[in-house]
Amino acid sequence: EVQLVESGGGLVQPGRSMKLSCAASGFTFNNYDMAWVCQAPKKGLEWVATISYDGSSTYYRDSVKGRFTISRDNAKSTLYLQMDSLRSEDTATYYCARASGLRGYYVMDAWGQGASVTVSS
Amino acid sequence: DIQMTQSPASLSASLEEIVTITCQASQDIGNWLSWYQQKPGKSPQLLIYGATSLADGVPSRFSGSRSGTQYSLKISRLQVEDIGIYYCLQAYSAPFTFGSGTKLEIK
Repeated sequence: EVQLVESGGGLVQPGRSMKLSCAASGFTFNNYDMAWVCQAPKKGLEWVATISYDGSSTYYRDSVKGRFTISRDNAKSTLYLQMDSLRSEDTATYYCARASGLRGYYVMDAWGQGASVTVSS
Repeated sequence: DIQMTQSPASLSASLEEIVTITCQASQDIGNWLSWYQQKPGKSPQLLIYGATSLADGVPSRFSGSRSGTQYSLKISRLQVEDIGIYYCLQAYSAPFTFGSGTKLEIK
């Protein structure tokens, strides 16, 4: 069974840092690109970042470029999101998602339960 | 960036009714469109990929279609377990963008 389990969320002050982790199991982690998707309270889904299967390529939404870093440790089957210079508008639930190519189409076919991040003084 | 305009924002329908949700892409994205269902308090789940293909384990009452840059998700006979919020996602080019969501309720 595919499992993605996020950890590391909580309350953090504006301007500080936080690192999320996502432990993957039930599939060959280093065969898949991975992504982070966030959802602000009572709002819709927003793609945050994607990393290629081998970590060689990363992509970010504009609002987090230069502040967030997506990375992975394939030996540990773990995905990370380092979030620096946090702002109140970063408050959200952050989902880890597996990115697959189904019949050549890029989709997010497995999701974690989410990690809640609250940025407030 | 590619914009995905999703409608309606909310929808109330009766059991066994046919329900249709649409997403309009701001430019050509081919079939790089997927649909997700988010049940209350849960994580999103993949329903449709490649605009028209049903994901594994998804009931056959769900279907997807495309007409140019307009994409539709249809539920042929609404069931109680279908309540939730539905999102489209374009993965044609980064930044990947979701539609704003459609909240589906039972009348």
